[in-house]
Amino acid sequence: DPKIIQKPKYLVAVTGSEKILICEQYLGHNAMYWYRQSAKKPLEFMFSYSYQKLMDNQTASSRFQPQSSKKNHLDLQITALKPDDSATYFCASSQERERLFFGHGTKLSVL
Amino acid sequence: GMPVEQNPPALSLYEGAESGLRCNFSTTMKGVQWFQQNHRGRLITLFYLAQGTKENGRLKSTFNSKERYSTLHIKDAQLEDSGTYFCAALNNNAGAKLTFGGGTRLTVRP
Repeated sequence: DPKIIQKPKYLVAVTGSEKILICEQYLGHNAMYWYRQSAKKPLEFMFSYSYQKLMDNQTASSRFQPQSSKKNHLDLQITALKPDDSATYFCASSQERERLFFGHGTKLSVL
Repeated sequence: GMPVEQNPPALSLYEGAESGLRCNFSTTMKGVQWFQQNHRGRLITLFYLAQGTKENGRLKSTFNSKERYSTLHIKDAQLEDSGTYFCAALNNNAGAKLTFGGGTRLTVRP
């Protein structure tokens, strides 16, 4: 959905570095999410936020930290990057518990 | 078992043919979304259903919350329909969370 902007579209990082994936939505939604897709597998839920508060966290590693500076922003900071972190990260938003709208994704490659 | 079981995992159709995909859910879900993921990796939302049936051109989807399944029917398949199709179920718990099925890789041949 063009009203959910993810930056950058592609990202290459070296092992051990830190990166921030940007997500902004202009749909007026109050809930935002991060999903991860590895190698054409199904998307896996990572985090959900509602009114800038963490609602659900299914990511085991604390290296993944969402950051919500504004209601329509939910960035994802990833520290100490590993090759296994290589995946496409999708941001999504919804109006509470209604259908989700997805961004185009950020494809991360960790070398 | 898996909360969302999607079948078949792969499907090959000739142009003009029709077929269906199905997702079974292990528990009652609030809604279902169907997506097509194209060769560039983009997720295209096809349908969102809370109940019943929706149709859009050559696509038709049904969701039966009580019976815990959803289907996607494609008719008159076209080459551009090729891609991976995912169903994703919206749970009933607090906070919306989509659980994705394993996907169906559709190949449409001329």
